[in-house]
Amino acid sequence: AQSVTQPDIHITVSEGASLELRCNYSYGATPYLFWYVQSPGQGLQLLLKYFSGDTLVQGIKGFEAEFKRSQSSFNLRKPSVHWSDAAEYFCAVGAGNAGNMLTFGGGTRLMVKP
Amino acid sequence: DAGVIQSPRHEVTEMGQEVTLRCKPISGHDYLFWYRQTMMRGLELLIYFNNNVPIDDSGMPEDRFSAKMPNASFSTLKIQPSEPRDSAVYFCASSSGQSHIQYFGAGTRLSVL
Repeated sequence: AQSVTQPDIHITVSEGASLELRCNYSYGATPYLFWYVQSPGQGLQLLLKYFSGDTLVQGIKGFEAEFKRSQSSFNLRKPSVHWSDAAEYFCAVGAGNAGNMLTFGGGTRLMVKP
Repeated sequence: DAGVIQSPRHEVTEMGQEVTLRCKPISGHDYLFWYRQTMMRGLELLIYFNNNVPIDDSGMPEDRFSAKMPNASFSTLKIQPSEPRDSAVYFCASSSGQSHIQYFGAGTRLSVL
């Protein structure tokens, strides 16, 4: 079965600084990978996804993520963080043989200092 | 499209009462998922449906929980009787075919006193 680890429970960055959120997955084949964002009191919103092809994927709100098969990682990055990026971020993995079911990581809560 | 619609947004009830949460998926989507989110356990998949048929309910915590999908545009999650430990945010999500992209509703915050 697949699994996802987000090693950082909380991260604090200054506004304007760069950001990298870590995600490691466990799956025997090429996974489908996702990053979702959850603002307080809201549902999860898709930031970006990787299915195949170019390992660097662009998403909404200026986010990008890079799939590294050798490291089983799919880290999320943003060059300059805005105060509105403060939220919880979830990495998820899907397996092609499990319908549309996703396995989510525990989440990373991002705080942005002015 | 209106997105996934959940109701109610907030529910406060007393222990022992029956609670019914509702979900309307995005039109045309053939997968529907119910999740529970708590601080202690994070985001847990409870059950999911494909074409209105329950596929995997291994995440349903116990027999007090039941879920139905009588048609493609409506699903319910019922807790009977409710207990304080059921307090959580419950999310519904839907997706289409093999896209693997799940679209989430805004959630129902349940408080059982």
